Amino acid sequence: AQTVTQSQPEMSVQEAETVTLSCTYDTSENNYYLFWYKQPPSRQMILVIRQEAYKQQNATENRFSVNFQKAAKSFSLKISDSQLGDTAMYFCASGGGADGLTFGKGTHLIIQP
Amino acid sequence: DTAVSQTPKYLVTQMGNDKSIKCEQNLGHDTMYWYKQDSKKFLKIMFSYNNKELIINETVPNRFSPKSPDKAHLNLHINSLELGDSAVYFCASSQEFTGELFFGEGSRLTVL
Repeated sequence: AQTVTQSQPEMSVQEAETVTLSCTYDTSENNYYLFWYKQPPSRQMILVIRQEAYKQQNATENRFSVNFQKAAKSFSLKISDSQLGDTAMYFCASGGGADGLTFGKGTHLIIQP
Repeated sequence: DTAVSQTPKYLVTQMGNDKSIKCEQNLGHDTMYWYKQDSKKFLKIMFSYNNKELIINETVPNRFSPKSPDKAHLNLHINSLELGDSAVYFCASSQEFTGELFFGEGSRLTVL
């Protein structure tokens, strides 16, 4: 069974600041994927960034980047130059294939003007 | 074109009723899922179908029955609704070996 832990229920930063959301996971799989999803108040689940566990290079997507530490089973998300539109719930997830993804409990990120 | 679509988006009903939520994906994906998001926003997988075959059936009451008439559709039928069934139900799909889930907009079910 996979578990995903997000230890920060809520975070608040000022616009334009950089913020890092934490995530640790546990899995017995050798091949797996890691994801960060964003859920704004509209409740739509939006993919932010994805990492294949076999790749050592950290994924980046514009202002979003991850720090993937495979041995430590850690997968944190860094948001640079935060914007008001980044306010949302952020979910870390691991897994892949027909078993689907296991999600953490989420971090509510608030960007203050 | 909506990739994964669910209907209805909102559903308000009385305890004891039976209701269905429909899901369709036009991405050509092999696998479809139902997830439940509770009031604390926790997302938990309920069912997974791969090419119309049930793969995962997590510990959910027998009152919940998924049906996949074809690869592009996965419906969820709920019998004898209870207050605790109130939640947002998400349909999702994925292509095997990519891991990424494509979600529908969710269906908010409220049981009174």
